[in-house]
Amino acid sequence: SQTIHQWPATLVQPVGSPLSLECTVEGTSNPNLYWYRQAAGRGLQLLFYSVGIGQISSEVPQNLSASRPQDRQFILSSKKLLLSDSGFYLCAWSVLSGGIRDTQYFGPGTRLTVL
Amino acid sequence: AQSVTQLDSHVSVSEGTPVLLRCNYSSSYSPSLFWYVQHPNKGLQLLLKYTSAATLVKGINGFEAEFKKSETSFHLTKPSAHMSDAAEYFCVLVGSARQLTFGSGTQLTVLP
Repeated sequence: SQTIHQWPATLVQPVGSPLSLECTVEGTSNPNLYWYRQAAGRGLQLLFYSVGIGQISSEVPQNLSASRPQDRQFILSSKKLLLSDSGFYLCAWSVLSGGIRDTQYFGPGTRLTVL
Repeated sequence: AQSVTQLDSHVSVSEGTPVLLRCNYSSSYSPSLFWYVQHPNKGLQLLLKYTSAATLVKGINGFEAEFKKSETSFHLTKPSAHMSDAAEYFCVLVGSARQLTFGSGTQLTVLP
């Protein structure tokens, strides 16, 4: 069966510090991978998605970047965190297929607080 | 353009009574719709999904949803609420490039 891991579970960082959040998927090959942010009291916002190694699409201009160094690894980074980067970050995966109705499965999330 | 509207930001029910969480959608093509549940500080768990098969979809934990094209709705129901159902629920529309459009969420409170 497939599983998705995210770490760390919680993180408190000062403004201006770097960030690296990691997401890995087990039990599947060549998945689509996604990073979402959920700010307090708001819905989920898609930040990045990837359909393969080294292929990253950015949905919104922001202080963050993403990389996919391996098939089942997705990393969210920042060189300098802003207060507005605080939120709950969720990684998700779906099976790559010809259709557009793939179900996305979410990881447990990382709670980031920028002080 | 497509959108999802969850009509209630908060719903409160007593344990053992029915649950109704409302969702309306707007889409220019035949949609796929999901319901996810999120417990505090947890990831999202898929409850059920509609992908143009049966209009009445049964999910986990006794939840079900009915797709009504004429009403552009996909309301989530459960006959009898349990305390463990207290969580936030998201109605989600699948768009192009496998991207999801999320509703704003409905917080379900279950009273003893």
